[in-house]
Amino acid sequence: AQSVTQLGSHVSVSEGALVLLRCNYSSSVPPYLFWYVQYPNQGLQLLLKYTTGATLVKGINGFEAEFKKSETSFHLTKPSAHMSDAAEYFCAVSGSARQLTFGSGTQLTVLP
Amino acid sequence: GAGVSQSPSNKVTEKGKDVELRCDPISGHTALYWYRQRLGQGLEFLIYFQGNSAPDKSGLPSDRFSAERTGESVSTLTIQRTQQEDSAVYLCASSLLGTASGNTIYFGEGSWLTVV
Repeated sequence: AQSVTQLGSHVSVSEGALVLLRCNYSSSVPPYLFWYVQYPNQGLQLLLKYTTGATLVKGINGFEAEFKKSETSFHLTKPSAHMSDAAEYFCAVSGSARQLTFGSGTQLTVLP
Repeated sequence: GAGVSQSPSNKVTEKGKDVELRCDPISGHTALYWYRQRLGQGLEFLIYFQGNSAPDKSGLPSDRFSAERTGESVSTLTIQRTQQEDSAVYLCASSLLGTASGNTIYFGEGSWLTVV
């Protein structure tokens, strides 16, 4: 079985502040982990993914995430938020199941 | 094509009617997925096709929902006798191989279905 929990359905940060979006997963096998972003009225776009190797993964638009097996976490961070980062962010896991299982999403608001 | 293509992009239908949603995956991608996203909610897995293997239909919410895929190309998701709770965005995605291999899945823009 596999599942994803995203803590905080809504997160607000000021422009220039640190962005931290939390994701915890459950998987009966070593997981592959993904973060996707969805802008209004658009499909999902891959931000970054962890498969094997280095646990700190860098993605597009300055985002990065760290796989922590001991904490079963894959939190997404960005040092300095930009107005264009406002969107919905989804964490997903691929483990024992053949499809991606998604979290319920976190809506990020960036305040001027 | 360059990306996953879905049609129609928007569909308004009357309760009780049948609808068909089409998905054209990225050329060469053997795996194809359908997800449903209700307003303000996350993605709900519906069905998964991988090559010539039997599809994983474990996410289909009722027998009103069905999907087919022709070889490794186009897929059609059919909803019979639509209900208002079927209103959602239906997202299609494809990947070179299954995600159990760590492959990235690429999403289409979605088909927005409204049942009135």
